[in-house]
Amino acid sequence: EVQLVQSGGEVKKPGESLKISCKGSGYNFATYWIGWVRQMPGQGLEWMGIIYPSDSDTRYSPSFQGQVTISVDKSISTAYLQWSSLKASDTAMYYCARRSNPSDFDYWGQGTLVIVSS
Amino acid sequence: EIVMTQSPATLSVSPGERATLSCRATQSVTSNLAWYQLKPGQAPRLLIYGASTRATGIPARFSGSGSGTEFTLTISSLQSEDFAVYYCQQYYKWPRTFGQGTKLEIK
Repeated sequence: EVQLVQSGGEVKKPGESLKISCKGSGYNFATYWIGWVRQMPGQGLEWMGIIYPSDSDTRYSPSFQGQVTISVDKSISTAYLQWSSLKASDTAMYYCARRSNPSDFDYWGQGTLVIVSS
Repeated sequence: EIVMTQSPATLSVSPGERATLSCRATQSVTSNLAWYQLKPGQAPRLLIYGASTRATGIPARFSGSGSGTEFTLTISSLQSEDFAVYYCQQYYKWPRTFGQGTKLEIK
């Protein structure tokens, strides 16, 4: 069974760093892109970026380029989303999802809630 | 980037009736269009890909149509569990982009 299990919710202060994770299982992790999607409170879904675990090829939405870093450790089937300096506006639910062909995001993680507040 | 626009923002429909949701792209995405359902406290669920192919386990009352820049998601006879927010997403070009969502509510 394909599963994406994300790390638990986080409460952080502005300026702090954070790295959240998404662990895949039940499939060949290295050969499927893993993407990240943001949902701010009361808002819609926003596509942030995506990484191919086999070679770490990464694409970002211009809106998120330079704001976050997407990385992967294929040896432990885990993708990451990280911030070096959080802002209150980073408060959101973050989902990881597996990209398939031809369906794009076919499996999703359960979401990680990040709250940034002083 | 390709901008996806969904209409209406909110749709009020009675159970058992048909719901029609629209999605428009600012340029052709051919048939590289997916629809997702999002309910509070749950992860998004893939409903339709390739503009018209139902994902695994999706009931036949969900259907998608369109190509190029105009797409439609139709739910033929609404069940209570179908009231949710629906998003379209193009996966023709990087960056992928979502529409802003249509909230389907009970009338």
